[in-house]
Amino acid sequence: DSGVTQTPKHLITATGQRVTLRCSPRSGDLSVYWYQQSLDQGLQFLIQYYNGEERAKGNILERFSAQQFPDLHSELNLSSLELGDSALYFCASSEGQGASYGYTFGSGTRLTVV
Amino acid sequence: GENVEQHPSTLSVQEGDSAVIKCTYSDSASNYFPWYKQELGKRPQLIIDIRSNVGEKKDQRIAVTLNKTAKHFSLHITETQPEDSAVYFCAALSSGTYKYIFGTGTRLKVLA
Repeated sequence: DSGVTQTPKHLITATGQRVTLRCSPRSGDLSVYWYQQSLDQGLQFLIQYYNGEERAKGNILERFSAQQFPDLHSELNLSSLELGDSALYFCASSEGQGASYGYTFGSGTRLTVV
Repeated sequence: GENVEQHPSTLSVQEGDSAVIKCTYSDSASNYFPWYKQELGKRPQLIIDIRSNVGEKKDQRIAVTLNKTAKHFSLHITETQPEDSAVYFCAALSSGTYKYIFGTGTRLKVLA
């Protein structure tokens, strides 16, 4: 167990729907990062939050949004889902604002859009 | 923009042989380079990292080298074992930024 908790582990939904993925960082970590990994693809950075504030943004679609709550858990909201959104979504956390001591990844949420 | 190229995309070696994976980064301000191992369907796990003030780092059978001038860094696995089979990702972190740029991954197969 990495200490980073992601729920749910699996999610199957229909096109056009909206889902929320949840991440609880390791105890003491203030930064949360979201990554998308499509089948046999690399890790695409979506967005980072530090202590409740957005810090960095990657290739995140406008249909996607995220936030980090006062208790430091984060949610990634995906709306108007398309077949191409099917992927593994990973959350990672780190202690500081940056990531110069390594990320710790959660086990991921596998999203299947049908 | 920032980019990390990783080669090869697939690598098959015989058990006991060495494996080398190479990455090239574009941002000369990058100062931290982690390597992650991802087994099928599982989360990426940090296996080794190196900072820009160090040229080489070793941890048992795994070593990483960094050539800042050429903007290259490499992962070396010696005495490979079947359990080393996985996808390996390199990454670069630029000073002053908060995200890693990952390479595209190398699928390593160790043949028994």
